Amino acid sequence: EADIYQTPRYLVIGTGKKITLECSQTMGHDKMYWYQQDPGMELHLIHYSYGVNSTEKGDLSSESTVSRIRTEHFPLTLESARPSHTSQYLCASSDTGLAGVYNEQFFGPGTRLTVL
Amino acid sequence: KQEVTQIPAALSVPEGENLVLNCSFTDSAIYNLQWFRQDPGKGLTSLLLIQSSQREQTSGRLNASLDKSSGRSTLYIAASQPGDSATYLCASGSSNTGKLIFGQGTTLQVKP
Repeated sequence: EADIYQTPRYLVIGTGKKITLECSQTMGHDKMYWYQQDPGMELHLIHYSYGVNSTEKGDLSSESTVSRIRTEHFPLTLESARPSHTSQYLCASSDTGLAGVYNEQFFGPGTRLTVL
Repeated sequence: KQEVTQIPAALSVPEGENLVLNCSFTDSAIYNLQWFRQDPGKGLTSLLLIQSSQREQTSGRLNASLDKSSGRSTLYIAASQPGDSATYLCASGSSNTGKLIFGQGTTLQVKP
């Protein structure tokens, strides 16, 4: 059973507001990821982290930023929300097994963001 | 740019049928391939992970195969049930970074 949590589950907010989407995992995984998914579309990686103080941009350009100060916590921030940011944001984590094997990714329930 | 393609985009079958979902990928250096299930408005549930050195993985009524040389994977669902109705996603894992590249998914409806 994967223990990865995201809050809030749903957020409706006005343009220009600063928002932070929370993601936490209790599995001690070193790797964490943020994906963006528009309705009916595939997931795109927007940020990832290999460990504390490590953050990288993903394949899809995003105006959001992330931080990784603690292993279990990987929040995503939008400084000024816009309607184009309306989407579902999914957080995931995985660990590095023996010999650097990339293991299974586990996903949180997602945050559905609507910017008016 | 690496891509993952899933066919068909949608599938509707009567309960009890065996079915196959297809996934093709362009990353010749794939490290692993993961199949997920997504229910409407929800996150992803991992179903099966196949490492590049493996040919198949099984979990209950699900069996996933991997053919690196042809760039294909299939998910076989035996004796389908209405509770299997969901979107099924496959994702190829990069050998260098572990990042996943997703297909658009196959939306399955199993009718009672």
